[in-house]
Amino acid sequence: GAVVSQHPSWVICKSGTSVKIECRSLDFQATTMFWYRQFPKQSLMLMATSNEGSKATYEQGVEKDKFLINHASLTLSTLTVTSAHPEDSSFYICSARDSAAGGVYEQYFGPGTRLTVT
Amino acid sequence: AQSVSQHNHHVILSEAASLELGCNYSYGGTVNLFWYVQYPGQHLQLLLKYFSGDPLVKGIKGFEAEFIKSKFSFNLRKPSVQWSDTAEYFCAVYTGTASKLTFGTGTRLQVTL
Repeated sequence: GAVVSQHPSWVICKSGTSVKIECRSLDFQATTMFWYRQFPKQSLMLMATSNEGSKATYEQGVEKDKFLINHASLTLSTLTVTSAHPEDSSFYICSARDSAAGGVYEQYFGPGTRLTVT
Repeated sequence: AQSVSQHNHHVILSEAASLELGCNYSYGGTVNLFWYVQYPGQHLQLLLKYFSGDPLVKGIKGFEAEFIKSKFSFNLRKPSVQWSDTAEYFCAVYTGTASKLTFGTGTRLQVTL
């Protein structure tokens, strides 16, 4: 089956620094990738939709200058949390849609990245 | 805007009990419906999905769900749960209008021995 990986799986950073999280589709091409945020015991909240070769589309309330998304290839999207603060501590999950899936809509999810900002 | 409601936030069942988790969505057009499971410490996995056709969908690990269009529902069922089914379950809906998955708030299932 389709596999999505994320790196790192866990990161601790100091307040004010930036952190980059990578999301890769390992055995399929993904023109569209998604970034979610999940707080403890809560649902996934879509932060942005990342399209290969173009600017990401951010959901309402998500600061695009704080959460920089780059989707430079069909298998890689990155999320950079800039000037991180403790309130940015969360579980970040990426998801990718198989470009070859045609009319069948399905997203594959990565294992997530736990970010802790101290 | 589309939305998804999961009314059961925390369900506790004994092994071998039957399970039904509710999921209702709000959208009047064509929908694709999904149930995902997140085991403790693991990533989201697809349990089953509905795109069209037979409204009774069978998924992995003995789960099934029924799409009832008139009730805007897609409830998840399993006749006999196991301790290993302890996890968080998320219902999600996709519409072409929104072009994104919208998740419910999730239901935490705890199965006791």
